[in-house]
Amino acid sequence: DTAVSQTPKYLVTQMGNDKSIKCEQNLGHDTMYWYKQDSKKFLKIMFSYNNKELIINETVPNRFSPKSPDKAHLNLHINSLELGDSAVYFCASSQWVDSYEQYFGPGTRLTVT
Amino acid sequence: AQSVTQLDSHVSVSEGTPVLLRCNYSSSYSPSLFWYVQHPNKGLQLLLKYTSAATLVKGINGFEAEFKKSETSFHLTKPSAHMSDAAEYFCVVTPRVAGGTSYGKLTFGQGTILTVHP
Repeated sequence: DTAVSQTPKYLVTQMGNDKSIKCEQNLGHDTMYWYKQDSKKFLKIMFSYNNKELIINETVPNRFSPKSPDKAHLNLHINSLELGDSAVYFCASSQWVDSYEQYFGPGTRLTVT
Repeated sequence: AQSVTQLDSHVSVSEGTPVLLRCNYSSSYSPSLFWYVQHPNKGLQLLLKYTSAATLVKGINGFEAEFKKSETSFHLTKPSAHMSDAAEYFCVVTPRVAGGTSYGKLTFGQGTILTVHP
């Protein structure tokens, strides 16, 4: 059983399009995260939700909108995609908001052409 | 504010020889520190964590790390490298903010790619 899963694994799209990435965790965790890993492998947190409530919102363009329909799911919708959005996006979860151990999904490689 | 510097972008060792991956941190608060490993095309897996208990921390797959406050370091070591250790390793810091929560805000280093030769 996959603990944290993401779909799709690969996403190739053109500039200006709107796309979504989905994340699901079956660990019963309360908190979920989205990270962006750029071409230099640098990982940076984007958002965090705890029990469907947004608790971390880093300096991310408002073209990025997370949505958490329930605490097991955290989706990421991106409007008007730009070349600079090309990256690997990782979803993660942790048991509570102040649990240090985070479990990561396999990543979604987004390529914008 | 906190930051992490991984001193080597690439480390190459022979199978059976020791591994040393270096990490220095800065943090405005007492830190919690972690090492994560990322195998090719896979997600990140937690190797070990330091959260203010023993300064020498043992993790999975024979890895360990020592928290040295005076040197602001948290280097990752393994006595004998195995081919399966080849991966990218990330040192991570999060502040243990007064009040007990940091809201899971991890700050990642730039990563160190470990290559293991037969």
